[in-house]
Amino acid sequence: GQNIDQPTEMTATEGAIVQINCTYQTSGFNGLFWYQQHAGEAPTFLSYNVLDGLEEKGRFSSFLSRSKGYSYLLLKELQMKDSASYLCAVRDRQAGTALIFGKGTTLSVSS
Amino acid sequence: DARVTQTPRHKVTEMGQEVTMRCQPILGHNTVFWYRQTMMQGLELLAYFRNRAPLDDSGMPKDRFSAEMPDATLATLKIQPSEPRDSAVYFCASGLEVNTEAFFGQGTRLTVV
Repeated sequence: GQNIDQPTEMTATEGAIVQINCTYQTSGFNGLFWYQQHAGEAPTFLSYNVLDGLEEKGRFSSFLSRSKGYSYLLLKELQMKDSASYLCAVRDRQAGTALIFGKGTTLSVSS
Repeated sequence: DARVTQTPRHKVTEMGQEVTMRCQPILGHNTVFWYRQTMMQGLELLAYFRNRAPLDDSGMPKDRFSAEMPDATLATLKIQPSEPRDSAVYFCASGLEVNTEAFFGQGTRLTVV
């Protein structure tokens, strides 16, 4: 089976940097995804890591360490619109191509 | 603008009634996933298909839930009979084969009273 842990809630202020951590346990790791979900909306894809290291995409970056079962999502120059839930998901070979999600981290950005 | 389309967007029904949720995946995508989201459990995988064949439905209560893909443009999730504990947002997502992201529909918000 799979186990994915991430903090339930985080708060930050506009312009700041925030790091959302995710730890996972899976027997057949085959990729890690981050999704953003605004309240009442569908999850939308942010990033994908399958090899160790940092992937940068604009204000967002995602890091992966497979040996530690650890990833983080880094959000820079926070804006109010970044207030959302951030979902960590892993792909496990035992589950085929389906993504298994953590319960998400609700980020609140204040001015 | 390719997107996953789900209908209905909202459904309120009485306990014991049948509920059918529909999903039109993005044209060309060959994998389809059904997820259920609640505050307590987050996003749970219910079932998924590849090339219209069911690959995994172990997350689905078999006695009342069923998922099918009658053709490549339609996936359905049925609950019969529905129960109040089924109240949740049901998301459909589609994607291509390996190592690509899944694209989510807007969800069906189901309330069973």
